[in-house]
Amino acid sequence: EPEVTQTPSHQVTQMGQEVILRCVPISNHLYFYWYRQILGQKVEFLVSFYNNEISEKSEIFDDQFSVERPDGSNFTLKIRSTKLEDSAMYFCASRTAWDSPWETQYFGPGTRLLVL
Amino acid sequence: AQKVTQAQTEISVVEKEDVTLDCVYETRDTTYYLFWYKQPPSGELVFLIRRNSFDEQNEISGRYSWNFQKSTSSFNFTITASQVVDSAVYFCALSEGETSGSRLTFGEGTQLTVNP
Repeated sequence: EPEVTQTPSHQVTQMGQEVILRCVPISNHLYFYWYRQILGQKVEFLVSFYNNEISEKSEIFDDQFSVERPDGSNFTLKIRSTKLEDSAMYFCASRTAWDSPWETQYFGPGTRLLVL
Repeated sequence: AQKVTQAQTEISVVEKEDVTLDCVYETRDTTYYLFWYKQPPSGELVFLIRRNSFDEQNEISGRYSWNFQKSTSSFNFTITASQVVDSAVYFCALSEGETSGSRLTFGEGTQLTVNP
């Protein structure tokens, strides 16, 4: 069964460093998402992406964040200058057609980011 | 704005007991979807069910059942004859679609512990 994959599973970085989190969505999916979950808290929406541009972003997704689909399979989240409060689990998700915006989003296993 | 409330932070039951997880939502849209996801200790988010706002039929899938009531804005989830493997955090989520794209808004989650 197709699944969303994410790399790395864990990343430790120093405050102020740049990190890139990678995701490979399900191959026939067209819509991609990033969510984050601070330890012990709920899952929060960051950004949605379609047709090589951002569809929607939350107030969390400020100028230090960016997303990109560098090729036909990968979808990345870059944090330019990490802060302590960026420590969280980051989930990538994908779904199928735009005609039904409520199509189920399937989530990857997550990348646990720790900023020291 | 959309909101999901899971008032039960933690529930602990003994194996074979039935348990109901509550979910109450707020939305101004007439068309929306509700979801339940399971997050086991390994951390991934596993899709369980999707229900649209026009379909108030209850659904049963094995030991799982869902009770959707628009009159009370609730979408409750019942596990019958719980098992230790059901121990996880369960998230209820809402997607409005019409007014806020397809982002998922999650509740705070309910930690379910099933003891042998």
